[in-house]
Amino acid sequence: DTGVSQDPRHKITKRGQNVTFRCDPISEHNRLYWYRQTLGQGPEFLTYFQNEAQLEKSRLLSDRFSAERPKGSFSTLEIQRTEQGDSAMYLCASSARTGGDYEQYFGPGTRLTVT
Amino acid sequence: TQLLEQSPQFLSIQEGENLTVYCNSSSVFSSLQWYRQEPGEGPVLLVTVVTGGEVKKLKRLTFQFGDARKDSSLHITAAQPGDTGLYLCAVMTTDSWGKLQFGAGTQVVVTP
Repeated sequence: DTGVSQDPRHKITKRGQNVTFRCDPISEHNRLYWYRQTLGQGPEFLTYFQNEAQLEKSRLLSDRFSAERPKGSFSTLEIQRTEQGDSAMYLCASSARTGGDYEQYFGPGTRLTVT
Repeated sequence: TQLLEQSPQFLSIQEGENLTVYCNSSSVFSSLQWYRQEPGEGPVLLVTVVTGGEVKKLKRLTFQFGDARKDSSLHITAAQPGDTGLYLCAVMTTDSWGKLQFGAGTQVVVTP
């Protein structure tokens, strides 16, 4: 197992453009999370999937953000009409129940810079 | 206000020195996790503490969960340059989805 992968690792875009990020979780992990991390802060929860169902979205996820996990495997996070405030590291994590806990494994993140 | 307050924000020490970082809250938690994040990478889980007063050791790292389960500390003995990173504490929210809430982290830099 190669762990959680994210693509691209870096993205520079101009304000107003749309961007899409992809996350491939560890195979057979049924839970997938998206977090956002800005400089000097810890990751903040954005949204969560159990299999293909999106079960929760944070208030941080404005209408310009949409996430999908079409077949319960990989997930995409799209940001429309990007703003400079969207510049951040976008982290994906996946988990599966082991004993009583769901340990989350994080990918390397996608760093977004909006100019 | 942050649910988890981490201190100090930044710590720079020489190789071989000891250091302690703290994670404090006014809330009680059933468990608390510590992660280390290196530049350009995602956080990696170091340990989960569950019982009040619990002490866990991971090589030169010692983790303690407060008796009241409101706070935790991480002590590194004889720090090495490889210990450099952002140390984050995190707790799971009280709902069943398991999403994590993180502190802002302590940036540790160990110079040779």
